[in-house]
Amino acid sequence: DADVTQTPRNRITKTGKRIMLECSQTKGHDRMYWYRQDPGLGLRLIYYSFDVKDINKGEISDGYSVSRQAQAKFSLSLESAIPNQTALYFCATSLHNNQPQHFGDGTRLSIL
Amino acid sequence: AQTVTQSQPEMSVQEAETVTLSCTYDTSESDYYLFWYKQPPSRQMILVIRQEAYKQQNATENRFSVNFQKAAKSFSLKISDSQLGDAAMYFCAHTEYGNKLVFGAGTILRVKS
Repeated sequence: DADVTQTPRNRITKTGKRIMLECSQTKGHDRMYWYRQDPGLGLRLIYYSFDVKDINKGEISDGYSVSRQAQAKFSLSLESAIPNQTALYFCATSLHNNQPQHFGDGTRLSIL
Repeated sequence: AQTVTQSQPEMSVQEAETVTLSCTYDTSESDYYLFWYKQPPSRQMILVIRQEAYKQQNATENRFSVNFQKAAKSFSLKISDSQLGDAAMYFCAHTEYGNKLVFGAGTILRVKS
């Protein structure tokens, strides 16, 4: 089984819909991250969490919200999806500072 | 603003040859790490190599090595004896406070047989 699991793997939806992307991990890491990948821009940080009670905005948090339900679970929500949120979304975890991040396999989200 | 610059959108290399991917970055932090990640068509993000900024010695991992020039804020990746399986998008990244990663835009590497 994958250490960092993202669901769904792919999703197509319509403008205005509420979407939740889920991430769960079995690595026992405290730190979790959500990134989005766009062509020509690389990956950009949306939100990150150091533990269940600590959630922080990243570079591009507008239009997104997150929930850290447990140490192992970190969900990303789009309250009212818009087409420019079409992207590849990655969840990642790390143990502590300056340790490599471990990524899930990504969720490809298309908003029509 | 992007603080990691990968100036080569695409690179090609002949199988068994050597290729170098360039990366420059900007950070005000004194303690940071640098990474190269590989993203094959399967879209997984795979750690290739990492460099601790306080270490002068360049990191190596089998056929992969880096040329880290701290003063110039340069962190290039050298792939020796290129293989078809090396074909992928390669991302350079550095850490910021909280172990956040700042990524470059990526370089697509094509390997010719």
